[in-house]
Amino acid sequence: GAGVSQSPSNKVTEKGKDVELRCDPISGHTALYWYRQSLGQGLEFLIYFQGNSAPDKSGLPSDRFSAERTGGSVSTLTIQRTQQEDSAVYLCASSLTGEKLFFGSGTQLSVL
Amino acid sequence: AQSVTQLGSHVSVSEGALVLLRCNYSSSVPPYLFWYVQYPNQGLQLLLKYTSAATLVKGINGFEAEFKKSETSFHLTKPSAHMSDAAEYFCAVSKPSGGYQKVTFGTGTKLQVIP
Repeated sequence: GAGVSQSPSNKVTEKGKDVELRCDPISGHTALYWYRQSLGQGLEFLIYFQGNSAPDKSGLPSDRFSAERTGGSVSTLTIQRTQQEDSAVYLCASSLTGEKLFFGSGTQLSVL
Repeated sequence: AQSVTQLGSHVSVSEGALVLLRCNYSSSVPPYLFWYVQYPNQGLQLLLKYTSAATLVKGINGFEAEFKKSETSFHLTKPSAHMSDAAEYFCAVSKPSGGYQKVTFGTGTKLQVIP
């Protein structure tokens, strides 16, 4: 596709359920980033994938959060046993060099 | 570790007035610095970037920013605000190191333009 695609655009779930958020980066972009955007918190770094290197997971807030990137392309962010404080917009971005990130439109997650 | 601090979560200016959005960085090495903009109901897009070339960087829509090492600042300016500039602006920093670039964002500044 022409841009970064994220799905679903909106997700409403019950507390305690698991959710999977998908990111389809721009073809050929080796770098892929996940961020969380909450009101007043800016963009919180979650995880970064670069080619075949081990991902930088330093931003994942707890062990309930995990992400994988299959075949150097599509990435899935999984949140297990969701909590209300997980409610936020989850943004994915891809890049060739990190000098310019291309963002998707995000997934709005609401945990009831 | 690199970080940026944006002063002022909300800034209001009159249409035609100067826009000044402040960003200070912290980095142990010369950083790369960025401004991204998020228009209402849209994704973030790159406004401009500093990557150790000219210290005064010009971006899209008449915005520019100046890298000042002595002040560890990278403030965003525009001489004359337009209604269409109303958006949220994010300063970001990364550490250039051979293709690996974790990009860290500030908390954002919402710009309101008053007619």
